Amino acid sequence: EDKVVQSPLSLVVHEGDTVTLNCSYEVTNFRSLLWYKQEKKAPTFLFMLTSSGIEKKSGRLSSILDKKELFSILNITATQTGDSAVYLCAIQSGGSNYKLTFGKGTLLTVNP
Amino acid sequence: DAGITQSPRHKVTETGTPVTLRCHQTENHRYMYWYRQDPGHGLRLIHYSYGVKDTDKGEVSDGYSVSRSKTEDFLLTLESATSSQTSVYFCAISREGLGELFFGEGSRLTVL
Repeated sequence: EDKVVQSPLSLVVHEGDTVTLNCSYEVTNFRSLLWYKQEKKAPTFLFMLTSSGIEKKSGRLSSILDKKELFSILNITATQTGDSAVYLCAIQSGGSNYKLTFGKGTLLTVNP
Repeated sequence: DAGITQSPRHKVTETGTPVTLRCHQTENHRYMYWYRQDPGHGLRLIHYSYGVKDTDKGEVSDGYSVSRSKTEDFLLTLESATSSQTSVYFCAISREGLGELFFGEGSRLTVL
């Protein structure tokens, strides 16, 4: 059974801080790892990673995957109050009809 | 934004009554999913569909059934609702089952 563990479960920082969110996983047939941001409603897509060592970037957010050690990190630099959200990590297994298995998420609170 | 509509958005019902949640998409995507989200559990897959009349179980399928008679509609039915099924239900779609899922706005179900 695929498994995703995120840490920390919650984090409180001040505006301008840099944060690193962690995601470790166990999967039998890895296809991709995805990050989502969830504010009050539906999760919205951030990144999809399939190859080890290649950083994906979007503005102040970046993510990298280590397929050997089975983890990914999501970095947010110069945090803003608008970054406050739950960040979800998910694994897609190629052997399970393309289902996504989600972690429990990290609740990030950015205080002014 | 992906064209996904969930209905109803909010519902309060009593234990033992049947409930049907509807997910409607205008994207003609092949893959559709039903997730539930609960505090401390993250997003958990209930059922998914990989085509008309093609469905499969997720990790928390007990007490739920689904149907997909048209590409655009995916119905989730609780035959006899229980209080443990109080949750927020998200529908999601995927173009080819690979990578990014697009989520609906969610349906909040309360079973008294």
